[in-house]
Amino acid sequence: EADIYQTPRYLVIGTGKKITLECSQTMGHDKMYWYQQDPGMELHLIHYSYGVNSTEKGDLSSESTVSRIRTEHFPLTLESARPSHTSQYLCASSVSGLESEQFFGPGTRLTVL
Amino acid sequence: GQQVMQIPQYQHVQEGEDFTTYCNSSTTLSNIQWYKQRPGGHPVFLIQLVKSGEVKKQKRLTFQFGEAKKNSSLHITATQTTDVGTYFCAGEPNTGGFKTIFGAGTRLFVKA
Repeated sequence: EADIYQTPRYLVIGTGKKITLECSQTMGHDKMYWYQQDPGMELHLIHYSYGVNSTEKGDLSSESTVSRIRTEHFPLTLESARPSHTSQYLCASSVSGLESEQFFGPGTRLTVL
Repeated sequence: GQQVMQIPQYQHVQEGEDFTTYCNSSTTLSNIQWYKQRPGGHPVFLIQLVKSGEVKKQKRLTFQFGEAKKNSSLHITATQTTDVGTYFCAGEPNTGGFKTIFGAGTRLFVKA
């Protein structure tokens, strides 16, 4: 089992609230990722990081922001949640180089009312 | 831009039938990975292929990487209900860049 954790697992909040989704990994991986996935649908990369103090936007435009102050921690923040943000958010990490399998966390299911 | 296309989008099979999903890239890939996501779960890594023409097997699953390193397939022999889920391919373009690109996935339904 991979050592990558996400909290909370489920979150129901009202429109306009600021939220932070936590992701931590204990494997020392340089690369970390955030994906957005609706049920049964494809994975959309919204943010990624090469390492500490490195963050990039992914393919899917997102109103969220991320930070990477420590190797093991890659939180995602929504300043003002809207119903359109309702989705599952998956965090993943991988080592650099060819052996680049991604280890996924269990996900956070977000519902914005 | 760089894309990884995966077909079919859905596949319904009777238990015991075979199943294949195909992955095609618009650019040459340095490697291809396959993941399985069970309903309600998160993607789990199955395998990585690196060499041109490579074939790997895991029990009833056979993975192939094309000679041109632009396509791949996953074949399941004699499906079981435990094979239900979505299978994603993910390729790393051979451009020296960082990003792994996921296909849209093939959702497999197995009827007992």
